[in-house]
Amino acid sequence: NAGVTQTPKFQVLKTGQSMTLQCAQDMNHEYMSWYRQDPGMGLRLIHYSVGAGITDQGEVPNGYNVSRSTTEDFPLRLLSAAPSQTSVYFCASSHITGTSVSEQYFGPGTRLTVT
Amino acid sequence: DAKTTQPNSMESNEEEPVHLPCNHSTISGTDYIHWYRQLPSQGPEYVIHGLTSNVNNRMASLAIAEDRKSSTLILHRATLRDAAVYYCILHGGDSSYKLIFGSGTRLLVRP
Repeated sequence: NAGVTQTPKFQVLKTGQSMTLQCAQDMNHEYMSWYRQDPGMGLRLIHYSVGAGITDQGEVPNGYNVSRSTTEDFPLRLLSAAPSQTSVYFCASSHITGTSVSEQYFGPGTRLTVT
Repeated sequence: DAKTTQPNSMESNEEEPVHLPCNHSTISGTDYIHWYRQLPSQGPEYVIHGLTSNVNNRMASLAIAEDRKSSTLILHRATLRDAAVYYCILHGGDSSYKLIFGSGTRLLVRP
């Protein structure tokens, strides 16, 4: 199993550009999520999904779009990059167990810089 | 979302046990208590989670108070590799599936 993979590892964007961060998992997990982590800070939830075709907003969804057309993939789209979106982005996945989730597996992260 | 309160930082000596506390006085009956940790320059990793009973795994133990308003993550023998930020998270009570990280406890392990 590859686990949770994220591409690219590093990205530099100019203000106003758009791009898509890719996330894929091969564990047949129902739950997938995106977090951002600013330098020296904790993780903040951007968007999450409980299955293909179902997404919902987290704590800081503005400026980001997601879609979940397959169980495996959960791409995060930056619509118009701003310097405030400079951060490390983590994708995670897990099984759903009742009203909670089981162990979340995190990807290695994408380090994004917006100039 | 139910809140958790953790100390900002703690220190421990290598090979000694570490007890990391977490207060969650507004926990609901269906909230699970999750613990994650983040080693320097890495993504978070799962440590343990539980609902009511104490839980053990190869990495740690989770002791949950009888009233569930607090819990303690126990590392039985700290190693230098355990130096990390430890996050205590409540999840599941509101059925939203949001897993919200707080600010966590930074654990320093002295050799």
